[in-house]
Amino acid sequence: GNSVTQMEGPVTLSEEAFLTINCTYTATGYPSLFWYVQYPGEGLQLLLKATKADDKGSNKGFEATYRKETTSFHLEKGSVQVSDSAVYFCALSVAGSKLTFGTGTRLQVTL
Amino acid sequence: NAGVTQTPKFRVLKTGQSMTLLCAQDMNHEYMYWYRQDPGMGLRLIHYSVGEGTTAKGEVPDGYNVSRLKKQNFLLGLESAAPSQTSVYFCASSPSPYDGILNTGELFFGEGSRLTVL
Repeated sequence: GNSVTQMEGPVTLSEEAFLTINCTYTATGYPSLFWYVQYPGEGLQLLLKATKADDKGSNKGFEATYRKETTSFHLEKGSVQVSDSAVYFCALSVAGSKLTFGTGTRLQVTL
Repeated sequence: NAGVTQTPKFRVLKTGQSMTLLCAQDMNHEYMYWYRQDPGMGLRLIHYSVGEGTTAKGEVPDGYNVSRLKKQNFLLGLESAAPSQTSVYFCASSPSPYDGILNTGELFFGEGSRLTVL
């Protein structure tokens, strides 16, 4: 079956620090990979995605590279802001099928 | 743009009461989903629908029923609420993978409905 494993949080960083949130997956077939973000009190929204190996998704300063050899899709940002405080979910979909989500990683950025 | 709208946003129920959550989307999406979100467990799929008049079970369907009488609406019902159903419920929608448009599985979410069962 398909599964997504994310690093456990919470992750607490000072503003302007470097962020990495690890995500690894197992999938039958060739998945598309996603990072969703959930800001406090809101629903999930797509942050970035990659649809094939070696693709890099990027948005709002966040990046993630689809690594087939390590089955990973780690989320990175060079300099986090307080406004990045949220819960981040890694997810996959095979051939447009239902999304499989990780458990989420809470990020707290402090001044 | 409204996108996906859920009502109500908050509700408190007593054990054994019934209620219905309504999800409405204005993007003409074929697929709709109900998830529940619990601490440490991420999102778990309750039921989903691949088109008007169809429904299917997800990961955690017990204690819930759904209906998709109109393409734009997806209703989630609790016939006899239990404390274990205290959760935040999210509705989502997506285009069909088969509609000819490149669809890589992105979902569009509502803002959530917080349900407490006492």
